Amino acid sequence: GAVVSQHPSWVICKSGTSVKIECRSLDFQATTMFWYRQFPKQSLMLMATSNEGSKATYEQGVEKDKFLINHASLTLSTLTVTSAHPEDSSFYICSAMGTGGGETQYFGPGTRLLVL
Amino acid sequence: AQKITQTQPGMFVQEKEAVTLDCTYDTSDPSYGLFWYKQPSSGEMIFLIYQGSYDQQNATEGRYSLNFQKARKSANLVISASQLGDSAMYFCAIQRGGSQGNLIFGKGTKLSVKP
Repeated sequence: GAVVSQHPSWVICKSGTSVKIECRSLDFQATTMFWYRQFPKQSLMLMATSNEGSKATYEQGVEKDKFLINHASLTLSTLTVTSAHPEDSSFYICSAMGTGGGETQYFGPGTRLLVL
Repeated sequence: AQKITQTQPGMFVQEKEAVTLDCTYDTSDPSYGLFWYKQPSSGEMIFLIYQGSYDQQNATEGRYSLNFQKARKSANLVISASQLGDSAMYFCAIQRGGSQGNLIFGKGTKLSVKP
């Protein structure tokens, strides 16, 4: 149980294009999902908190208009990187918490984004 | 604000031996949760062990145990009988704002298991 998937696992795109990343909880309902970003040899940094049916909460320094988050259902959150630039190249990883309020967060396998 | 400090950028351990990965934390929350995750080169974050601040006993999960010293604000991970597959990055994390908050991670420790 407690499986989180992400799609795609790898994406290479040209500068200026938009990229959508999906995060799904496969066997549980997730009222809250978190989006993290990890640059090479660094730790995970929270970008935003995604709550089902409401607007995402962004961390300081994260551009809301650039990183669009939609949490349309209890099993799906999407992160869209709009007008991607090479500096957006990173490892994006989501985590999900169940509706039961348990403490453990389960992570998706991550998405590696390379913007050329 | 919460903070996690992992002072060991890299550690080596001989196969079959035990190893301790250090983690200290800082928080003003009266109740909090501490986590350890393993990140192999593939990038996925694998949950290892959880310790609640009010748990009376140190957490254990198979070969993983957490040496929780609340007064010292430390939550060291002990891996017993190391295996080659344990080679990975290990991250300590604290949960922000109660049981529904995001995780704040330390910088990680790269563990290498030698045959």
